[in-house]
Amino acid sequence: AQSVTQLGSHVSVSEGALVLLRCNYSSSVPPYLFWYVQYPNQGLQLLLKYTTGATLVKGINGFEAEFKKSETSFHLTKPSAHMSDAAEYFCAVSRGRGGSNYKLTFGKGTLLTVNP
Amino acid sequence: DAGITQSPRHKVTETGTPVTLRCHQTENHRYMYWYRQDPGHGLRLIHYSYGVKDTDKGEVSDGYSVSRSKTEDFLLTLESATSSQTSVYFCAVASGTRGRAGELFFGEGSRLTVL
Repeated sequence: AQSVTQLGSHVSVSEGALVLLRCNYSSSVPPYLFWYVQYPNQGLQLLLKYTTGATLVKGINGFEAEFKKSETSFHLTKPSAHMSDAAEYFCAVSRGRGGSNYKLTFGKGTLLTVNP
Repeated sequence: DAGITQSPRHKVTETGTPVTLRCHQTENHRYMYWYRQDPGHGLRLIHYSYGVKDTDKGEVSDGYSVSRSKTEDFLLTLESATSSQTSVYFCAVASGTRGRAGELFFGEGSRLTVL
């Protein structure tokens, strides 16, 4: 079974500051990892994903994440926060190649607040 | 835009009444999902479908049933609604094609309140 732990249900940063949202996963097989973003009163949308290959993946809106197998982590970063980044962010995991990679397990989410 | 429509978008009902939420997609995606979102719990999978008439349970399936008689429609039914089922329900779809694993497209949600 797969599971995801997001450290910190609420993160607050100043505009222009570094954004770091933490995600640790548990998986018995090589995982696929994802970050989704949810803006107020909307559904989720894919930010980026890791399947295989390069461990540093880039997504939309300047976000990136690094897969670290030794640390079972997939933390999301952005060098400089913008007011429009305020949203809730969800880390998710699925079984990797050869598994049920169409079924995702989500973390509980991290609400990002950006202060002017 | 994956062409996902959820209906109704808002519903208030009473304990013990049946409720059906509908998810309609226009892109012919193979996989369809129902998630519920609750504060402090994130998104939890209720049921999913991997083809017409092919469905399976997720982690919080008790009290819910689903049906998929056509590729484009995935129905979620609460046979007898309870207050614990007050939630925001999201439908999601995925193509399942190679290279697109895990790429879900979400609807805008259906807010259900059970009094």
